Amino acid sequence: GESVGLHLPTLSVQEGDNSIINCAYSNSASDYFIWYKQESGKGPQFIIDIRSNMDKRQGQRVTVLLNKTVKHLSLQIAATQPGDSAVYFCAEKKGYNFNKFYFGSGTKLNVKP
Amino acid sequence: DSGVTQTPKHLITATGQRVTLRCSPRSGDLSVYWYQQSLDQGLQFLIQYYNGEERAKGNILERFSAQQFPDLHSELNLSSLELGDSALYFCASSELAGGGEQYFGPGTRLTVT
Repeated sequence: GESVGLHLPTLSVQEGDNSIINCAYSNSASDYFIWYKQESGKGPQFIIDIRSNMDKRQGQRVTVLLNKTVKHLSLQIAATQPGDSAVYFCAEKKGYNFNKFYFGSGTKLNVKP
Repeated sequence: DSGVTQTPKHLITATGQRVTLRCSPRSGDLSVYWYQQSLDQGLQFLIQYYNGEERAKGNILERFSAQQFPDLHSELNLSSLELGDSALYFCASSELAGGGEQYFGPGTRLTVT
């Protein structure tokens, strides 16, 4: 499959600080990206998505940035809380109507109190 | 709670056996997706059904098959099981055939001994 990878397997941050989780994708034809959060023992949970015609999208305490030039995606979490501790995956898809998602290996976020 | 249910939660079986995993999507969702999550491969898309018909196929082995029934629940059949099939199997659902948020179930943990 296509390669969707993460730069840092584990990220530790202090409670209240901002977190940045990075993801690189290899297929320039990908036009839809999603960030998922997976807590221990649970299924992935949708956080935020972005289409390739955008370079930034904001949600509640989260922002996704897309840099198509270098095929890089990042998830910024503001004022990180202990409940944000989880594994975060990025996923890419080629074509909005084409549902083969390719997932990165994940970054584990540890929030220190 | 995502609204997606999966049964059973845990399954232990022997090599060579056949098992069936069941998924009920969120009310109103017509798409069902199956994913495999193993330690060494991350989250892998297997297959998608939309309103009873196969919509997209990922890295699904020939020993595996799936179907979606008229009531929209789906079953994933795994046969001639091998040790390497031990993994978490997630089902997700979405309203549309393409794009949009996918809601994941809690997963079925399959252990092949």
